[in-house]
Parts: sequence; structure tokens; C-alpha cells
Amino acid sequence: DVKVTQSSRYLVKRTGEKVFLECVQDMDHENMFWYRQDPGLGLRLIYFSYDVKMKEKGDIPEGYSVSREKKERFSLILESASTNQTSMYLCASSLRDRGDTDTQYFGPGTRLTVL
Amino acid sequence: SQQGEEDPQALSIQEGENATMNCSYKTSINNLQWYRQNSGRGLVHLILIRSNEREKHSGRLRVTLDTSKKSSSLLITASRAADTASYFCATDAGNTGFQKLVFGTGTRLLVSP
Repeated sequence: DVKVTQSSRYLVKRTGEKVFLECVQDMDHENMFWYRQDPGLGLRLIYFSYDVKMKEKGDIPEGYSVSREKKERFSLILESASTNQTSMYLCASSLRDRGDTDTQYFGPGTRLTVL
Repeated sequence: SQQGEEDPQALSIQEGENATMNCSYKTSINNLQWYRQNSGRGLVHLILIRSNEREKHSGRLRVTLDTSKKSSSLLITASRAADTASYFCATDAGNTGFQKLVFGTGTRLLVSP
């Protein structure tokens, strides 16, 4: 079974701090994604990566950056955390199918609170 | 931007009853997927239906797709308390090739014993 792990389940940070959220998958998937989930807004895509060192902006990239130095690891960085970044962050991975958009496998999520 | 919109937003039923959730989307798709999320956890893939399919079954799940109406429905038969969760539809939204999914806002299902 695919396993996607996230570095923390709960995280509390202060405004202005630099925050790293890490995601690791063990199935050699090419694609990796970072979403945030807020009540009433569903899942919104922050950034995604389809290969090592490659990244693409999603729908809400402002205030975030990402890093993918190794195929199995995709990091989300909040350069200077703000209270409006308090949210549930979900990482996902999928195979890069040439013909179709494949199933995404999700980690358990990190609930980040910025004070 | 939201591609999928689920309806209803919340649904409360008794164990043994059937639960039906609907999803509408706006642009052409290659496939549509349904996911489940237990409270405070990640999403789990349930079923994928391709644009050339009209109906698909998996255990107690039945998914239909009507591309002319740009809509899909998820039916859970003989529901159980363990089916209590949020359910999301996701489409590939005529991707540019980067294989993203666009998720709806979800239906919260409560199944009471």
C-alpha cells in the first residue's frame, strides 16, 4: 500500500516564524501536491511538483514556497507565518500517468495554528 | 476555483438507509473521482469513473456520471455508522497535462446507529 507521511499532526507557531511542513511518500510517485483545507472552502491546491526540482503554482501559492530535492520528499515552507495561514495542510502523491489523471494518495494532514 | 460542487452540504440518515450525494462540475473532464475523509484525517480514494463510463460499482458504492449534465452521484447502500465522514468529488478539469485534481467542498454524512 502507498504510504504518505507528514512530519507533524499538530503544529503551533508564532506569527513571523518560518515553518517547514514535510511530506514523504514511499511509492516512487512522480507527482506530489500540497493542499490547504478550510471549512466551507474545501481543498485548495497550493503547489505541486511533477518531478524532482520541478514545481508549479497551484491556486493559492502566495505566502508559500516548496522544495523537492528528492523524489520521495516534498516540503512546504511558510517563509513568515501569518494567522491567516492557520489551516489543515494535506500532502498527496500520485503516479504520473501519461494518459490520465491518476488517484491521489493523501497523508494524514498537519493542523497548523499560527498565533 | 471550485470545479466540483457537492449537494447536499450535509446529510443525516439512520443505519441501513441509503445515502445519495451529488456533484456538479463546470468543464469537460477525463475522469471524476470520489474521496472520503474521516474527521481530521487525510482523504481516501473510493472510486474513479471515466468520461466514457456511465455507471460503476464497488462494494456498497455506486457511482453514476452524466457528462451531458456535467454531474455525478455517489450512492452508498445499506449505510453503517462507520460511513460517517465527508465525501468529496474531484475532477481533472480538462488538465493542461499536469494531472491536477480540483476538489469540491464536500458532503458531510452522518449515519446514526
